Amino acid sequence: QKEVEQNSGPLSVPEGAIASLNCTYSDRGSQSFFWYRQYSGKSPELIMFIYSNGDKEDGRFTAQLNKASQYVSLLIRDSQPSDSATYLCAVNMWTNDYKLSFGAGTTVTVRA
Amino acid sequence: KAGVTQTPRYLIKTRGQQVTLSCSPISGHRSVSWYQQTPGQGLQFLFEYFSETQRNKGNFPGRFSGRQFSNSRSEMNVSTLELGDSALYLCASSSRDSTGELFFGEGSRLTVL
Repeated sequence: QKEVEQNSGPLSVPEGAIASLNCTYSDRGSQSFFWYRQYSGKSPELIMFIYSNGDKEDGRFTAQLNKASQYVSLLIRDSQPSDSATYLCAVNMWTNDYKLSFGAGTTVTVRA
Repeated sequence: KAGVTQTPRYLIKTRGQQVTLSCSPISGHRSVSWYQQTPGQGLQFLFEYFSETQRNKGNFPGRFSGRQFSNSRSEMNVSTLELGDSALYLCASSSRDSTGELFFGEGSRLTVL
């Protein structure tokens, strides 16, 4: 079982729609959760992090965490063509582990 | 504020050779991590350094090594290159004594022939 799994995609959504990305993780003791965006040919950039159960909103992005279900998601509201990218879910399994475990990524394409 | 700088950006080596990649973190960042990115395996953790100490190492063979200098700059070395080492090597720095809020460099793309 992979440590972090994401819905495989690719995901194609029309402009203005909601893109929903899902991620599950294997270790129940995982501490912190991150979403990175990677444009083609570029390096990943952090867009959201969440540490506690519930929702966290930042502009058009909402991260949702459910530790009991070992599930984290990212919603992109009012999707724009500029949101077309690969979204990487990353998990810090243990405090003081000093590493992130990444999912394989979900590629999102927003159709104009 | 300058970002994470990695050199060289592109390099081509042949099997059996060795390579050294360099990373300069964002000023003030003391944690430097290295990741390997390939289409098949995604982002894989190599190692992390803080104040010249390696705090964690991923599941890579001993041919992969790294170090960090007193100015927080870091290098990674791969010896006896194999075809499978062809990848994008990403360095990331962090301002906190934690892991997740990483700032990535543009990467060093290594091709092994």
